[in-house]
Amino acid sequence: DARVTQTPRDKVTEMGQEVTMRCQPILGHNTVFWYRQTMMQGLELLAYFRNRAPLDDSGMPKDRFSAEMPDATLATLKIQPSEPRDSAVYFCASGLTPRRGTLLNASTDTQYFGPGTRLTVL
Amino acid sequence: LAKTTQPISMDSYEGQEVNITCSHNNIATNDYITWYQQFPSQGPRFIIQGYKTKVTNEVASLFIPADRKSSTLSLPRVSLSDTAVYYCLVGDKGGYSTLTFGKGTMLLVSP
Repeated sequence: DARVTQTPRDKVTEMGQEVTMRCQPILGHNTVFWYRQTMMQGLELLAYFRNRAPLDDSGMPKDRFSAEMPDATLATLKIQPSEPRDSAVYFCASGLTPRRGTLLNASTDTQYFGPGTRLTVL
Repeated sequence: LAKTTQPISMDSYEGQEVNITCSHNNIATNDYITWYQQFPSQGPRFIIQGYKTKVTNEVASLFIPADRKSSTLSLPRVSLSDTAVYYCLVGDKGGYSTLTFGKGTMLLVSP
């Protein structure tokens, strides 16, 4: 049963420290998403990649957040320096996006979410 | 991106059928309607997707009228374990526009 994995599951850190969250997408998926979820804002899309290239990171605070895909099996989200307002659950999701003109069934077009990283910045 | 509107919360009892309606008045021709379910402390998971009329799977049914300006997720005979947040999303099936999660509908199923 293929799953998206995320590490760490929980992270408590102090303001100003660097935080790195990691995600392993489902093997064969070509699209990776990073979301942040808080009670106030709900699920917010931070960034997404297709075939390891960043397509949209407009939801991400550029001065402190960075997202990368060093290879097809690893996506990272880094916060430096972290602030208390960054406290949230960060989800990674992966999916299979077809090439334009290719028809695939519904099950191959969905996002598969990982268990999330709960970040607390004190 | 088409905006969606759904109730903030709903209450039900075990064994009842629950229907959650989502409005998406400016849905585009290429847009599909997708529903996700999120349990506490977990990431959302796909439930069902459709374009028009009716779609049914082992978990739920999705009813979409001809004008496609709304859709209804139907959960037959809910149990306590169906307590979750349900999100309605509208987007291009080809993945060339990202799906936007709204606030969702918090469904509480009681004994």
